[in-house]
Amino acid sequence: GESVGLHLPTLSVQEGDNSIINCAYSNSASDYFIWYKQESGKGPQFIIDIRSNMDKRQGQRVTVLLNKTVKHLSLQIAATQPGDSAVYFCAENSSGGGADGLTFGKGTHLIIQP
Amino acid sequence: DTAVSQTPKYLVTQMGNDKSIKCEQNLGHDTMYWYKQDSKKFLKIMFSYNNKELIINETVPNRFSPKSPDKAHLNLHINSLELGDSAVYFCASSPGTDYEQYFGPGTRLTVT
Repeated sequence: GESVGLHLPTLSVQEGDNSIINCAYSNSASDYFIWYKQESGKGPQFIIDIRSNMDKRQGQRVTVLLNKTVKHLSLQIAATQPGDSAVYFCAENSSGGGADGLTFGKGTHLIIQP
Repeated sequence: DTAVSQTPKYLVTQMGNDKSIKCEQNLGHDTMYWYKQDSKKFLKIMFSYNNKELIINETVPNRFSPKSPDKAHLNLHINSLELGDSAVYFCASSPGTDYEQYFGPGTRLTVT
């Protein structure tokens, strides 16, 4: 069936380095994608989103890249900090967000080494 | 101020009991959701409500019933709790279509 998945369950990077978290999706009708960060004991927190009419979007220290040809999504975090340690989820909503629920990937645990 | 709040944060109960989890959002959003996160941290949509009308129900057992007394609240009632219902349940809200969803802090349900 349609699914959203992540390539790596755990990613460890040195503090200050850049990190890239990847995500593959299979639903070609997906037109809205979101990255969430979930810290231990908390709910998912919105990081950045991107719509299918874009291939790149930047926020503060984060960049999301969308490659619709290969159905691939990535989250780049620049100059990682200890507070970036968390589980990161990609999510998609083929209906465009809002009224229908998001389909989440399995999550990548990002560990920032001091 | 908490945007999306849930109570209780922890809920421990025995099999067969009936329990409710409350959710409130003060963002003025039109749509609210319930998600279930299992022990492997996989998040799955259970329900969404838009203007007090159920939009989706993703193969959730009918023991689970969302109840929305008004646009700011979406409570989750669970009948005849089973061991497999143990999970973290998240409430979320969004302004409508094409917008991100804001999540509550979660309710950890443990059924013994």
